[in-house]
Amino acid sequence: NFILTQPHSVSGSPGETVTISCTRSSGSIASTYVHWYQQRPGNAPTTVIYADDQRPSGVPVRFSGSVGSSSNSAFLSISGLETGDEADYYCQSYDTTGRVFGGGTKLTVL
Amino acid sequence: QVQLQESGPGLVKPSQTLSLTCVVSAGSIDSDNNYWSWIRQLPGKGLEWIGSIQYSGTTHYNPSLKSRVSMSVDTSKNRFSLRVSSVTAADTATYYCARDNSFVNFDFWGHGTLVTVPS
Repeated sequence: NFILTQPHSVSGSPGETVTISCTRSSGSIASTYVHWYQQRPGNAPTTVIYADDQRPSGVPVRFSGSVGSSSNSAFLSISGLETGDEADYYCQSYDTTGRVFGGGTKLTVL
Repeated sequence: QVQLQESGPGLVKPSQTLSLTCVVSAGSIDSDNNYWSWIRQLPGKGLEWIGSIQYSGTTHYNPSLKSRVSMSVDTSKNRFSLRVSSVTAADTATYYCARDNSFVNFDFWGHGTLVTVPS
């Protein structure tokens, strides 16, 4: 199995761009898809990015995903920050032993 | 739009077995493309995948929980279930059921149900 490591918290001001990283401990980040979820307090998570860089319908184009093989990391970028983006964000991937979530990153919009 | 709804006791005594059921509506559980999963979230903590089951009965469990977890599926009632044995206070969490699609992405989730195991 492997671990996905995320920063505990990130912050930004309205209108700014923030990027959240998700680093895979072993095995290539590019070998399996990475997905990103947003979770607001009291609610179930929802997908904001799936399959590395795909946006589900209804998710603003301000949300984008990428994968960097050199850093063995995936990245979620949110541009034009809005107060409504304040939430916890989780990355998720998998291997033959199962599904794995990152520890989560709390995004604060200042 | 697929909908999932968890149900089960909100309070389970230590050493007993936690049992939850998830009913799937507006979608069929017997799809080759999907698994059906349980995920939990300890209070104030992150998400933990518990396990996934396909309509055929094929299962995948989190290695850290495998010895205490079992899942089953009832295609006639379009639902699937979770059992966690020998629970302790450390199993207190909100339990979510979710659809695990062909991208291995959890695209539809239930609202979650809080299960408390008193210490």
